[in-house]
Amino acid sequence: QSALTQPASVSGSPGQSITISCTGTSRDVGRYDFVSWYQQHPGKVPKLIIYEVSERPSGVSNRLSGSKSGNTASLTISGVQTEDEAHYFCCSFAGASSFVFGGGTKLTVL
Amino acid sequence: QVYLVQSGPEVKKPGASVKVSCKASNHTFFNYGISWVRQAPGEGVEWMGWISARQGNRNSAQKFQGRVTMTTDTSTNTAYMELRSLTSGDTAVYYCAVTRRTKTGTYNFFDPWGQGTLVTVSS
Repeated sequence: QSALTQPASVSGSPGQSITISCTGTSRDVGRYDFVSWYQQHPGKVPKLIIYEVSERPSGVSNRLSGSKSGNTASLTISGVQTEDEAHYFCCSFAGASSFVFGGGTKLTVL
Repeated sequence: QVYLVQSGPEVKKPGASVKVSCKASNHTFFNYGISWVRQAPGEGVEWMGWISARQGNRNSAQKFQGRVTMTTDTSTNTAYMELRSLTSGDTAVYYCAVTRRTKTGTYNFFDPWGQGTLVTVSS
């Protein structure tokens, strides 16, 4: 499978909202509501922040939300804070117990 | 809540094999799957494969088929990933991650992740 497409970087000032897109195909993102998002701070382990397109695990800020339209999933962070500066990557189930990740997006808080 | 502890860093020569272990903190490990994911230096993450901790059902990404073996040891709550015929392109941090499902029934997200194991392939 080909990697999902994410922008290499996005930026925003504190308090602004940012959206990170994750584009796949009709064989993965478009077919299944099984898109998850992970946050990774430098040198740290990836952390689940969204699963099944829009579900938030316990303890994850409600400033983070997920959605999907067609072959593109999106992660929105409302009221960006300096602690949100990290890498974010998406993942989609691709059928037959297989998965595909996005290339990752670096969020810079200006 | 289960957490995962992986084996330590490895340095291997091209052509060698490496086996990484991933020990779960408790027996609930068997209710889930374990995926293996790698991240090359400064790069994104790449899904390698998945194994059901209890049944042993497994699948691997096409690019690793024939080169990767994933197993579990139910007596020690430990999963293993062996990668053979290493090249410099395999230099990466290798993560195991609990693969979960909800009432949808489909294993589809990863939480938590192990701390990662750095594998360096160098002559």
